Amino acid sequence: DIQMTQSPSSLSAFVGDRVTITCRASQAISNYLAWYQHKPGKAPKSLIYAASSLQSGVPSRFSGSKSGTDFTLTINSLQPEDLATYYCQQYHSYPRTFGQGTKVEIK
Amino acid sequence: QVQLVQSGSELKKPGASVKVSCKTYGYIFTSYAMNWVRQAPGQGLEWIGWINTYSGNPTVAQAFTGRFVFSLDSSVSTAYLQINSLKVEDTAIYYCARDSISWDNWLDPWGQGTLVTVSS
Repeated sequence: DIQMTQSPSSLSAFVGDRVTITCRASQAISNYLAWYQHKPGKAPKSLIYAASSLQSGVPSRFSGSKSGTDFTLTINSLQPEDLATYYCQQYHSYPRTFGQGTKVEIK
Repeated sequence: QVQLVQSGSELKKPGASVKVSCKTYGYIFTSYAMNWVRQAPGQGLEWIGWINTYSGNPTVAQAFTGRFVFSLDSSVSTAYLQINSLKVEDTAIYYCARDSISWDNWLDPWGQGTLVTVSS
């Protein structure tokens, strides 16, 4: 199985800050990587697919990038509504695997 | 628009079974794979597996084989997750999630989740 190692497990930042979350795959997954936002009591929502493509309707302050087997989700200018847990997921092969999640809090 | 609507919360005793439904709207049911994902209390997301809605062929992740069963009723565009011989540790929110583009893709959209509580 492909392991997805996500860091940090949590972070706290001010409104307006730039936030970066990383995810490392245990083997090559090309760009078959998605990022999800999960707010308490809500269904997870896809933000980024194919490592760097923005899902329709998602604010442009969210972006994704890839370097080898390392993937990054960046939130430019953090907003109060971005309070959530963020997960990466590989869809290169089965079983699909998620990172452990990063809880983003607002200072 | 595309929607996945899941059945309501369930409270079950250990050893019982539960069947969670995921009714879909707004697209051709048999053209997109359906996945199931679990979130146990205080834990992250775990992928349980997926079912080919065209052929009915299920694929269950190794950690969930044996007691987790996927099924379909295409006549009502609904997917089901049945969990047999429930254990306390099966207490979790269960989500259905469609492959975004037919097959082998990221998950979008998701159902609202079904809380299954297993307690004596």
